Amino acid sequence: NAGVTQTPKFRILKIGQSMTLQCTQDMNHNYMYWYRQDPGMGLKLIYYSVGAGITDKGEVPNGYNVSRSTTEDFPLRLELAAPSQTSVYFCASSYEETYNEQFFGPGTRLTVL
Amino acid sequence: GQNIDQPTEMTATEGAIVQINCTYQTSGFNGLFWYQQHAGEAPTFLSYNVLDGLEEKGRFSSFLSRSKGYSYLLLKELQMKDSASYLCAVLDSNYQLIWGAGTKLIIKP
Repeated sequence: NAGVTQTPKFRILKIGQSMTLQCTQDMNHNYMYWYRQDPGMGLKLIYYSVGAGITDKGEVPNGYNVSRSTTEDFPLRLELAAPSQTSVYFCASSYEETYNEQFFGPGTRLTVL
Repeated sequence: GQNIDQPTEMTATEGAIVQINCTYQTSGFNGLFWYQQHAGEAPTFLSYNVLDGLEEKGRFSSFLSRSKGYSYLLLKELQMKDSASYLCAVLDSNYQLIWGAGTKLIIKP
């Protein structure tokens, strides 16, 4: 199993550009999550999904959109990138949301200039 | 508001024991997780506590006191590879993980 994979690993965007961060998991997990991690801060939940076709906002959803058309894929869309979106983005998945551990992808380091 | 506090940085010696504390104030409690994160890498799961007491797993142990809103991660026989950040996270009443900022552990020979 590849686990959770993310692409790209690194990206530099100009202000106002858009991009999609890809996330795929092959563990047949129902729950998937997008986090951002800023230096000196805890992980912040952007969006999450409890299954195909179902998504919900987390703590910091503004400026982002998601979709979940399949169990495996959970892309994160950034529209009109801003410097405040410079961060490391992690995708994660879990079997359920409760006591089960979350498995994380390797992350995407995004810089908006 | 919801808050999780951990020390920012700790230093310990190879072969020694270190205790990393975590205190929390959250809206509800459905368990506490510890994750390890090496620099530039993704977090990986270490432990989960939902009942009071100590859970031991090899060189790592995790303790929880729900009445005190307190947990600690105990690392024994420290190795250089244990140099990493340790993240405390609480599952709140909405079953969302609230994360602390992490404790950077530096191991010296």
